[in-house]
Amino acid sequence: EIVLTQSPGSLYLSPGERATLSCRASQSVSSSYFAWYQHKPGRAPRLLIFAASIRATGIPDRFSGSGSRTDFTLTISRLEPEDFAVYYCQQYGSSPRTFGQGTRVEIK
Amino acid sequence: QITLKESGPTLVKPTQTLTLTCSFSGFSLGVSGAGVGWIRQPPGKALEWLAVIYWDDDKRYRPTLETRLTITKDTSTNQVVLTMTNMDPVDTATYFCAHTSAGTTRQDPFDWWGQGTLVTVSS
Repeated sequence: EIVLTQSPGSLYLSPGERATLSCRASQSVSSSYFAWYQHKPGRAPRLLIFAASIRATGIPDRFSGSGSRTDFTLTISRLEPEDFAVYYCQQYGSSPRTFGQGTRVEIK
Repeated sequence: QITLKESGPTLVKPTQTLTLTCSFSGFSLGVSGAGVGWIRQPPGKALEWLAVIYWDDDKRYRPTLETRLTITKDTSTNQVVLTMTNMDPVDTATYFCAHTSAGTTRQDPFDWWGQGTLVTVSS
């Protein structure tokens, strides 16, 4: 199965700062089948980005995704207070679908 | 608006069978275009995809768990049920259900999720 490794494990930033989250795949992933999710404790995970760079419905344009093959990036251009959460990457092109272990974005 | 909610026991004993129900609204598994999947997250660990069922009863399972998992749908009640046999303490996790589209290739993200339900396996 494809293993996704996210870095860093935690990111300490202030509101207004830029966040850059990375996800590396153990083998090449089609960018058509790569997603990012946001998860807050006790809440339903939320799809942010699919097909590596397409924002899901209702997602603000401060969230952007990029990358291809084995290296993918989620960028939050200016952190808002509601953006502090855990972020997961996922590939859904190869079975089994797999997720990264998450990056926690915390307030500095 | 699509919503999903998981329900089931919070505590099961080792070797028992777990039965979880996903009740949803805002879409139907009786018409083309939708699927419902199950994903779990052990405490402190990564999300793990388990199974998915589509409107046409196409079912996919995580290969390493396939012998223990069964996913079914009831289109009259808008529910999807996941059963997992021979539960073990390592199966302790929060279990989520989620909506996915049933594209041509069946390769789509999970675009709407439930809040999850914590299941503890302990004697």
